[in-house]
Amino acid sequence: NAGVTQTPKFQVLKTGQSMTLQCAQDMNHEYMSWYRQDPGMGLRLIHYSVGAGITDQGEVPNGYNVSRSTTEDFPLRLLSAAPSQTSVYFCASSQGDPGPYEQYFGPGTRLTVT
Amino acid sequence: AQKVTQAQTEISVVEKEDVTLDCVYETRDTTYYLFWYKQPPSGELVFLIRRNSFDEQNEISGRYSWNFQKSTSSFNFTITASQVVDSAVYFCALSEGGGPQGGSEKLVFGKGTKLTVNP
Repeated sequence: NAGVTQTPKFQVLKTGQSMTLQCAQDMNHEYMSWYRQDPGMGLRLIHYSVGAGITDQGEVPNGYNVSRSTTEDFPLRLLSAAPSQTSVYFCASSQGDPGPYEQYFGPGTRLTVT
Repeated sequence: AQKVTQAQTEISVVEKEDVTLDCVYETRDTTYYLFWYKQPPSGELVFLIRRNSFDEQNEISGRYSWNFQKSTSSFNFTITASQVVDSAVYFCALSEGGGPQGGSEKLVFGKGTKLTVNP
């Protein structure tokens, strides 16, 4: 099993550009989520999904969109990148209800917006 | 609202010392779950432990132990005889109970404690 994979590992964007961060898991997990990690802030939940076709907002959703068309994939879209979105982004998955179970994290995507 | 406080931003110890990382949480729920994750310098997040609010027994796993005290809303993590490989950022996290179906998967993280173990 590859676990949770994220692409790309690094990305530099200009302000106003859009892009999609990819996340995939091969563990047949129902629950997937996106977090961002900023220095001194810990991890904060952006969006999450409890299953295919179901998504919801986390603590810091503004400027991001998600969709979940399959169990395996949970892409995160930046609509119009801003310097405040410079961060490290982690995707995670877990078994789902009844939970919460251990969340498996991907290796992260380091995004810089100039 | 949920909140997790890790008051120690950075700790530095010498190898073989014992070290305790503090975690204080706030929640209105009577059912909740607490976690610890480790983030070594390589950047990945590694799960260490999950504890539910009904289980106040302390846990020991090798050199790691966890002390859960509901009376003080704390879930502290102790590393005994620390080693250089323990150098990492450690995160405490909380998720609230979701009723009969179990808990919510939404984690609220503390800001982390950076532990440096010097040889």
